Amino acid sequence: SQQGEEDPQALSIQEGENATMNCSYKTSINNLQWYRQNSGRGLVHLILIRSNEREKHSGRLRVTLDTSKKSSSLLITASRAADTASYFCATGWGAQKLVFGQGTRLTINP
Amino acid sequence: GAVVSQHPSWVICKSGTSVKIECRSLDFQATTMFWYRQFPKQSLMLMATSNEGSKATYEQGVEKDKFLINHASLTLSTLTVTSAHPEDSSFYICSAENRAGGTEAFFGQGTRLTVV
Repeated sequence: SQQGEEDPQALSIQEGENATMNCSYKTSINNLQWYRQNSGRGLVHLILIRSNEREKHSGRLRVTLDTSKKSSSLLITASRAADTASYFCATGWGAQKLVFGQGTRLTINP
Repeated sequence: GAVVSQHPSWVICKSGTSVKIECRSLDFQATTMFWYRQFPKQSLMLMATSNEGSKATYEQGVEKDKFLINHASLTLSTLTVTSAHPEDSSFYICSAENRAGGTEAFFGQGTRLTVV
């Protein structure tokens, strides 16, 4: 079953702008992960945030987690054309049985 | 980083035939592997958990006789779609958990199955 929802379902922005995607989940979590999927390809792990963390950075990525609202956000700063992909949040216990959100299709226009 | 190789990347088969998809961890041992299914423009749905040396655990609604999973070694799990039908056409992705630990799941490149 799907853990939650992501919004927006689709996002189109200009290169250089920031992109923000949100994810909500339903159950208690140990951690939350974000993945990127290029069209027709496998998933690439971007970042993991633990339930006791509120914010985490990795390069141009910034992830926040609000366990009281059961929500997370992924911010990509200074977007590039290569960032065009689908982004999924996933909850689970480490690598175990990940439950994915619906995903956000991000398009970066040059 | 850890690499998971999935083969084939795409396959077209006739209705009624069976198709085998392989998932290999190339540089680590994976006690557990996971098989997901993804329909176009949708999210990934977990189908089953593949355990080395034991029977796979299937999620609710997934037919175990339809989707045969074998995890014969610490580096290989296979998913066989038996008596394939057009509605089985989908993108199948595996992931592997490193036996040595860690919280990251490593995904294969996925297999696009088209049943005609």
